[in-house]
Amino acid sequence: QVQLVQSGAEVKNPGASVKLSCRTSGYTFTNFYVHWVRQAPGQGLEWMGTINPSGGHTNYAQKFQGRVTMTRDTSTSTVYMEVTSLTSADTAVYYCARDGSIFGVAHGLDVWGQGATVTVSS
Amino acid sequence: EIVLTQSPGTLSLSLGERATLSCRASETIRSSQLAWYQQKPGQAPRLLIYGASNWAAGVPDRFTGSGSGTDFTLTISRLEPEDFAVYYCQQYVSSPYTFGQGTRVEIK
Repeated sequence: QVQLVQSGAEVKNPGASVKLSCRTSGYTFTNFYVHWVRQAPGQGLEWMGTINPSGGHTNYAQKFQGRVTMTRDTSTSTVYMEVTSLTSADTAVYYCARDGSIFGVAHGLDVWGQGATVTVSS
Repeated sequence: EIVLTQSPGTLSLSLGERATLSCRASETIRSSQLAWYQQKPGQAPRLLIYGASNWAAGVPDRFTGSGSGTDFTLTISRLEPEDFAVYYCQQYVSSPYTFGQGTRVEIK
């Protein structure tokens, strides 16, 4: 079955960087975009950006431009997201999610990873 | 950026009652590229509805999505115990693919 499995929890100091992974399985990796969404404690969902695993093209929310980098490894069907210059405001659960859109028909984010908690604290 | 405003913030209802959740967009969402998600505590969101009115796989038909343009609605016809959760709408017509702030459906 289609699965997205994320890396584990991270604790970082302010100013550090974190690189999260999202390993996909059960489908053709290059056929579906992957998005990253985060959720601060007790807050709603915030869309961060997306990557096209086929060519590696990315689209980031302007808020994260310059601080977020999404990459992919087609040999392992894994997507990565690195966030730099962390502050306490980046403390959140980070989710990767597959974009179910296919053949030009948008389908929303149909499969989600389990989430990875990032805590930024000195 | 398209801003999605969900109302009400919290809906307190009893088992078996009908829930009506609203999502209003700051500009027209063409092609009804709007989705609804359900999130329970400690879990990842789950896709319920895409394209404003299409069921995702495995979603019970008591969940119905409707609307177009700037006004969208998620209706739960008869609340079951497992339906008490937070619901988010999301537009994916233009980047950033924003979410609404959520509606919590709680047991009255």
